[in-house]
Amino acid sequence: EAGVAQSPRYKIIEKRQSVAFWCNPISGHATLYWYQQILGQGPKLLIQFQNNGVVDDSQLPKDRFSAERLKGVDSTLKIQPAKLEDSAVYLCASSLGAFAGGGGEQFFGPGTRLTVL
Amino acid sequence: KNQVEQSPQSLIILEGKNCTLQCNYTVSPFSNLRWYKQDTGRGPVSLTIMTFSENTKSNGRYTATLDADTKQSSLHITASQLSDSASYICVVSVNNNNDMRFGAGTRLTVKP
Repeated sequence: EAGVAQSPRYKIIEKRQSVAFWCNPISGHATLYWYQQILGQGPKLLIQFQNNGVVDDSQLPKDRFSAERLKGVDSTLKIQPAKLEDSAVYLCASSLGAFAGGGGEQFFGPGTRLTVL
Repeated sequence: KNQVEQSPQSLIILEGKNCTLQCNYTVSPFSNLRWYKQDTGRGPVSLTIMTFSENTKSNGRYTATLDADTKQSSLHITASQLSDSASYICVVSVNNNNDMRFGAGTRLTVKP
């Protein structure tokens, strides 16, 4: 079974530039998550999709971050414009059911390491 | 203040030795607790998941314990291998929904 795919794996940009990350979840997984993991910290949930609808985006900095999941499969996360503090690993995860926290398994992709100079 | 605290922050042990990682949490109401292993440059991979009624669960050389009364969990690694070098993250779920609180992780280095 193929895992969660993410691209690019690494990205270096200058502050105020824009960047986009792509995620392809495990086939058949209804729920998709984007996390931000700053070095030395645990992942922080940015946004959660159930199919192509947003379930939770309470911690997404909406003035600069946006995400979409067209057709309920692939997803993109965009940052525009980037700030120095956005340097982090952006992890995508997917789960079969609606609530991974309720006991469902959550599978993570390898992440995209973003460096903002 | 993070509601899931892990200790130590980092740990170095020799290959073949055992070690124990700690996780204390204050979140409530508790649903379940998971331990993840995150290799450098990779996403986290689930090791164990325990509900309120479970106080121990094993996955090979990994054994997790849970004391829901004291809100403490530990991950014990037996006969460590070089491949155990990774970050180990404790995650507590709240109220059986999608509210998952991540600890900052313990960085384990196993040396030959």
